Amino acid sequence: AQSVAQPEDQVNVAEGNPLTVKCTYSVSGNPYLFWYVQYPNRGLQFLLKYITGDNLVKGSYGFEAEFNKSQTSFHLKKPSALVSDSALYFCAVRDPYSGAGSYQLTFGKGTKLSVIP
Amino acid sequence: NAGVTQTPKFRVLKTGQSMTLLCAQDMNHEYMYWYRQDPGMGLRLIHYSVGEGTTAKGEVPDGYNVSRLKKQNFLLGLESAAPSQTSVYFCASSYQAGGTDTQYFGPGTRLTVL
Repeated sequence: AQSVAQPEDQVNVAEGNPLTVKCTYSVSGNPYLFWYVQYPNRGLQFLLKYITGDNLVKGSYGFEAEFNKSQTSFHLKKPSALVSDSALYFCAVRDPYSGAGSYQLTFGKGTKLSVIP
Repeated sequence: NAGVTQTPKFRVLKTGQSMTLLCAQDMNHEYMYWYRQDPGMGLRLIHYSVGEGTTAKGEVPDGYNVSRLKKQNFLLGLESAAPSQTSVYFCASSYQAGGTDTQYFGPGTRLTVL
């Protein structure tokens, strides 16, 4: 079974400082990993994904994420936070080798990011 | 392109009432999904469809039914609503499943069951 954990319910960071939102996963094989962002009263928007290749993935709005297989982590990062980055962030995992379940994305519980002016 | 749209945006039901949520996508995607979002629990998959005329159960299918009569539409039905079904419901679609595809989400339907 696949699972994903976001250990922090909330992350606070000052505007201009680097930010990190943590994600760890568990799958039986090599994972496909995704980050989504949700602004208040909106649907989820895709940020970036890791499928294979370079462990550092660059995505939308200046975000990037680093895949670390030994630590089973996929942390989301941004060098300089903006107030407009304040939102709910979701990590998701798919195990491509799970048969019929390979259709399914499993989401973490979400991390609320607050960027303080 | 409107992307993924959902109707209605809000709905209040009484226990035992029924309703249907409509999801439509104009991206010619084969795969469609219904999720529910509850505080502190992330998104959980209710049902999904891998093509017109097909549906399958996800993680939390009980109390819901779905239909995919047309490729662009995916309907979620509640036959007899219960307070435990109070949630925000999201529809998503993707071009292909089981791999690298990205799911695109609608704006959500906020449902309250009294």
